[in-house]
Amino acid sequence: EPEVTQTPSHQVTQMGQEVILRCVPISNHLYFYWYRQILGQKVEFLVSFYNNEISEKSEIFDDQFSVERPDGSNFTLKIRSTKLEDSAMYFCASTPWQGEAFFGQGTRLTVV
Amino acid sequence: AQSVTQLGSHVSVSEGALVLLRCNYSSSVPPYLFWYVQYPNQGLQLLLKYTSAATLVKGINGFEAEFKKSETSFHLTKPSAHMSDAAEYFCAVTLNQGGKLIFGQGTELSVKP
Repeated sequence: EPEVTQTPSHQVTQMGQEVILRCVPISNHLYFYWYRQILGQKVEFLVSFYNNEISEKSEIFDDQFSVERPDGSNFTLKIRSTKLEDSAMYFCASTPWQGEAFFGQGTRLTVV
Repeated sequence: AQSVTQLGSHVSVSEGALVLLRCNYSSSVPPYLFWYVQYPNQGLQLLLKYTSAATLVKGINGFEAEFKKSETSFHLTKPSAHMSDAAEYFCAVTLNQGGKLIFGQGTELSVKP
């Protein structure tokens, strides 16, 4: 069964460093998303991506964040200068034209 | 604006007992509604979805949910809990298929032997 894959599963980084979280969505899907879940809190929408551009972003997704789909298969989330409060589980998801979102296993980002 | 409220951050049931996890939504237009399950250290797995067809929706692992427009609810039920059902459950809403999901706070289900 096709699945969304995310790497790494766990990333530890120092405050102020750049991190790139990677995702391989399901191959025939059209919409791609990043969500995050701070420990003990609900899952929050960050950004959606369609047709090679951002279609919607939340207020969380400020200038420190960016997304790319560099090669037609990978979908990345970059955080330019990490802060302690960026520590969270980050989920990638993808959907076909119509249907539900399929989520990856997540990347746990720990900023120290 | 859409929103989702899950009543009860933690629900505990005995094995074999009825599971009822509550979800109420707010939406200005007919919504699409979902229940996702998250097992420890894993991602989100779809249990079931409502997309304006039948109001009673059956999902995986014996779960079902009923869309009640008059009550703006989409409660998740299972007649008989199994130990393996212990997990975190999230209700989510979107206005259109392919749109962003708005999640509730989640309900942690514990199942006692």
